[in-house]
Amino acid sequence: EVQLVESGGGLVQPGGSLGLSCAASAFTFSNYWMHWVRQAPGKGLVWVSRITSDGSSTAYADSVKGRFTISRDNAKNTLYLQMNSLRAEDTAVYYCARDFGGSSNYYMDVWGKGTTVTVSS
Amino acid sequence: EIVLTQSPATLSLSPGERATLSCRASQSVSSYLAWYQQKPGQAPRLLIYDASNRAIGIPARFSGSGSGTDFTLTISSLEPEDFVVYYCQQRSNWPSTFGQGTRLEIK
Repeated sequence: EVQLVESGGGLVQPGGSLGLSCAASAFTFSNYWMHWVRQAPGKGLVWVSRITSDGSSTAYADSVKGRFTISRDNAKNTLYLQMNSLRAEDTAVYYCARDFGGSSNYYMDVWGKGTTVTVSS
Repeated sequence: EIVLTQSPATLSLSPGERATLSCRASQSVSSYLAWYQQKPGQAPRLLIYDASNRAIGIPARFSGSGSGTDFTLTISSLEPEDFVVYYCQQRSNWPSTFGQGTRLEIK
């Protein structure tokens, strides 16, 4: 079964750092762009970042640019999100998601269950 | 940034009825619009992409239509498991954006 499993969430103080991971299985990870999408408590979905299949190109929402870094290790079938200078407004469930691919980049057809990040003192 | 406005915020219907959910874009997104379903405590699931194409495994009761700025998700005959939240998403302009969601509740 195609699967994405996030880990690394937790409670962190404002200004702190946290690293998220997303382990992929049952598909050829290195063929797909990947995304991070977040959802604040009781709110809607917000795209955060994406990385191309070979890791050569990344993109970020303005709200996280300069603070978050997306990366991947295709040998380990793992996606990462390093989050620095965290703010209360970064509190959310963070989902990793597989890009639909082909000519339909930015749609997401496989999602993990999410990991919760809480930024609070 | 393109703003997607979904209406209504909450839709109250009964099982077996037809549901019509709307998504309006602040500027044209051509046909580059998707619909997702999210059940409580779960990740979103892709239902429709490019406005009218059903994703793999999605039942035929779900259909999408529209282009430009006005889009519709139709559920032809509601099943009990359909009473959850639906989001639209555009990929026409960067950054990709989502609507605020429509909650479908049992009347």
